[in-house]
Amino acid sequence: AQSVTQPDIHITVSEGASLELRCNYSYGATPYLFWYVQSPGQGLQLLLKYFSGDTLVQGIKGFEAEFKRSQSSFNLRKPSVHWSDAAEYFCAVGADNNNDMRFGAGTRLTVKP
Amino acid sequence: EPEVTQTPSHQVTQMGQEVILRCVPISNHLYFYWYRQILGQKVEFLVSFYNNEISEKSEIFDDRFSVERPDGSNFTLKIRSTKLEDSAMYFCASTYNQPQHFGDGTRLSIL
Repeated sequence: AQSVTQPDIHITVSEGASLELRCNYSYGATPYLFWYVQSPGQGLQLLLKYFSGDTLVQGIKGFEAEFKRSQSSFNLRKPSVHWSDAAEYFCAVGADNNNDMRFGAGTRLTVKP
Repeated sequence: EPEVTQTPSHQVTQMGQEVILRCVPISNHLYFYWYRQILGQKVEFLVSFYNNEISEKSEIFDDRFSVERPDGSNFTLKIRSTKLEDSAMYFCASTYNQPQHFGDGTRLSIL
């Protein structure tokens, strides 16, 4: 079965600084990869997804992620973080048969003024 | 944009009682899921449902858990003989062809 590792439990960045959140996956076939964001007390909002094609995918809110098959990674980036980006970020990997997704443990992002 | 809706937003239940969590998936979606998130922990897969049957379930989804799509719109998760450790946020999701769309969750508190 697929699995995801998010090595960083908590990251703090200053507002305006760049951000990179790490995600490594394990899956035997071509994965479907996702980043979701969760604000406190809220549900999961999809930021972006990768299915195939261009390995650099653009998402909402200025986020992007790059799929690197050789490193089994799908890191999330943003060039300039805003205070409203403070939230929990989850990377997830899915199979291509619409069955379950596996989520990483999440990375909590704190943004300093 | 269509949404997945979940009710209630918060459910408080006495230990040992039965609870039903309700979800209305997006109308043209074919695949339905329940996930659980214990406070401060990661989102965990419970079950997937397609063509009126369970297609996959995790080890968390023991015989106290069941799912049902009783009509064309609702998708329910029933937990019998609830335990304290069932306390968590439960998310419903649906999809036609990835990605999954999530509801805002039901917070289940077992007392």
